[in-house]
Amino acid sequence: DADVTQTPRNRITKTGKRIMLECSQTKGHDRMYWYRQDPGLGLRLIYYSFDVKDINKGEISDGYSVSRQAQAKFSLSLESAIPNQTALYFCATSDRPGKSTDTQYFGPGTRLTVL
Amino acid sequence: GIQVEQSPPDLILQEGANSTLRCNFSDSVNNLQWFHQNPWGQLINLFYIPSGTKQNGRLSATTVATERYSLLYISSSQTTDSGVYFCAVTDTGTASKLTFGTGTRLQVTL
Repeated sequence: DADVTQTPRNRITKTGKRIMLECSQTKGHDRMYWYRQDPGLGLRLIYYSFDVKDINKGEISDGYSVSRQAQAKFSLSLESAIPNQTALYFCATSDRPGKSTDTQYFGPGTRLTVL
Repeated sequence: GIQVEQSPPDLILQEGANSTLRCNFSDSVNNLQWFHQNPWGQLINLFYIPSGTKQNGRLSATTVATERYSLLYISSSQTTDSGVYFCAVTDTGTASKLTFGTGTRLQVTL
């Protein structure tokens, strides 16, 4: 079974709709992240959470919100989707520095298209 | 913030050839990872290598932290090596937030 799972894997929606992307992990890691990848580019950080009560904005948080429902679950919401949010979205997890390395492990990605 | 530059941007190899991909970064790093993104979009961890040298089968990586670069070596390339290779780093001030380079797109042909 995959350690980091994302649902849905693909989603097509219309401008103005609310969308939630979900991420779950079985690695027991404290830290979770949401990234976005646009065609031909590297990933950019949207939000990150170092534990259930800690949520932080990343490089490109405008238009997004997150919820850390439990240590293992981190969801990303687009309150009112717009076409330039069409992208591939990745969730990642890592352990606390000192507990082990801070290697980040990525989920399979969610391909979101906003029409 | 930290800048990450990868070269070359594109690379075409015949199966069996060797290659070296380079990652330059602009500041001291706590974490450096190499990833392979396959044609289906999946990101695969290759190495966690903030310093030193590691090998895994036909792949190896070296990071010279004092000179702010890392190299990924692919030997005896196979068509399954095709995809995009990303280098990503966290600098000493950003606590686990990875900054990605724009990648090297590798195509291995028969």
